[in-house]
Amino acid sequence: GENVEQHPSTLSVQEGDSAVIKCTYSDSASNYFPWYKQELGKRPQLIIDIRSNVGEKKDQRIAVTLNKTAKHFSLHITETQPEDSAVYFCAANPWSSASKIIFGSGTRLSIRP
Amino acid sequence: SAVISQKPSRDICQRGTSLTIQCQVDSQVTMMFWYRQQPGQSLTLIATANQGSEATYESGFVIDKFPISRPNLTFSTLTVSNMSPEDSSIYLCSVEAGTSGSISDTGELFFGEGSRLTVL
Repeated sequence: GENVEQHPSTLSVQEGDSAVIKCTYSDSASNYFPWYKQELGKRPQLIIDIRSNVGEKKDQRIAVTLNKTAKHFSLHITETQPEDSAVYFCAANPWSSASKIIFGSGTRLSIRP
Repeated sequence: SAVISQKPSRDICQRGTSLTIQCQVDSQVTMMFWYRQQPGQSLTLIATANQGSEATYESGFVIDKFPISRPNLTFSTLTVSNMSPEDSSIYLCSVEAGTSGSISDTGELFFGEGSRLTVL
């Protein structure tokens, strides 16, 4: 089955700097890769996603890149702000299951003032 | 979008007892999912629940321990049976908002607030 690995597990950046979180997946047939943000004590919420027919997607300060050949995808946050502090999860949707989402282990991002 | 209500939000339970968690969605959905999130950990899929059929369980989860009901397109329950301290966790209900049956079409899972269980 699909396996998603995520790193780093923790990341601390200075406010205003960029943050990058990387994930790899094992199932070459996976076709959908969402990123979820979970603030402390809150539910996970989708922040951006990318499909396998696209190499990059951007939404304001957030961008995601996908390298299908290498089976890895990354989240980039630019001009980080205190409200970006949260746990971020990457995920993959394996082709074998239309609606199943397999999550990575999570990255705890802290923004230093 | 979808609005999901989960009950209870938290509970403290005794070892050996069972607890049922309810998940109510404000619209009809094809797929409902139950996840477990242990403290500081990722989200692990327990099972997928479709209306009118038995739930599909992931490796490591069995129906006797986590029986699931899905009586209609807006409601599901997850029971945690014969609980032990290792079952202390947050249990989250989630739905795929569309009716196509494919997350890659609709693009989003919506989550309930979670039910935090502590087993003593």
